[in-house]
Amino acid sequence: LAKTTQPISMDSYEGQEVNITCSHNNIATNDYITWYQQFPSQGPRFIIQGYKTKVTNEVASLFIPADRKSSTLSLPRVSLSDTAVYYCLVGVRDYKLSFGAGTTVTVRA
Amino acid sequence: NAGVTQTPKFQVLKTGQSMTLQCAQDMNHEYMSWYRQDPGMGLRLIHYSVGAGITDQGEVPNGYNVSRSTTEDFPLRLLSAAPSQTSVYFCASSRGGGQGNTEAFFGQGTRLTVV
Repeated sequence: LAKTTQPISMDSYEGQEVNITCSHNNIATNDYITWYQQFPSQGPRFIIQGYKTKVTNEVASLFIPADRKSSTLSLPRVSLSDTAVYYCLVGVRDYKLSFGAGTTVTVRA
Repeated sequence: NAGVTQTPKFQVLKTGQSMTLQCAQDMNHEYMSWYRQDPGMGLRLIHYSVGAGITDQGEVPNGYNVSRSTTEDFPLRLLSAAPSQTSVYFCASSRGGGQGNTEAFFGQGTRLTVV
């Protein structure tokens, strides 16, 4: 499994865009990049997955540069309810996920 | 559609007691997994199953047993509870399909305290 590195925590304010960068220097050719979100006292929730360039859904965007050694999760116009831990996962099978400590995003009013 | 249902939500055990954490999914998913999450840490894989009758160990399997007799259910058994097993336990299911389809659905968790 590719090792991932992401910031421990980030602070933001309502209405701002939050960008979380994940480094994965040893990503393999066939590895996908997946992000999960976890609210307090809840199980993780799948947010987005991508292989290259840009992926966008109703929750977030995922930017992956050509060398794929990093990726950036972008949360547009965050609200207080976006306060959560965000996990970057690389090269995992869906029944065998490997979570690090994640990035704790705190959104303030 | 209930998704993944875990019971109980909270449990207190005495050291040495045994118990079973229940997990059921109604999405007809082939894959199911159990994770534990300790305070301030990510989830760690305990056991997983890729189909009825097939189970395998994850990262931290010691002290836990699983079985998968049906597609829907994947119970986790604690054989002899220890304080080190105090944690929040999450069950997850997914339909599989390769790396490009890595979407797992998680239950609400069981908060277990062993005293």
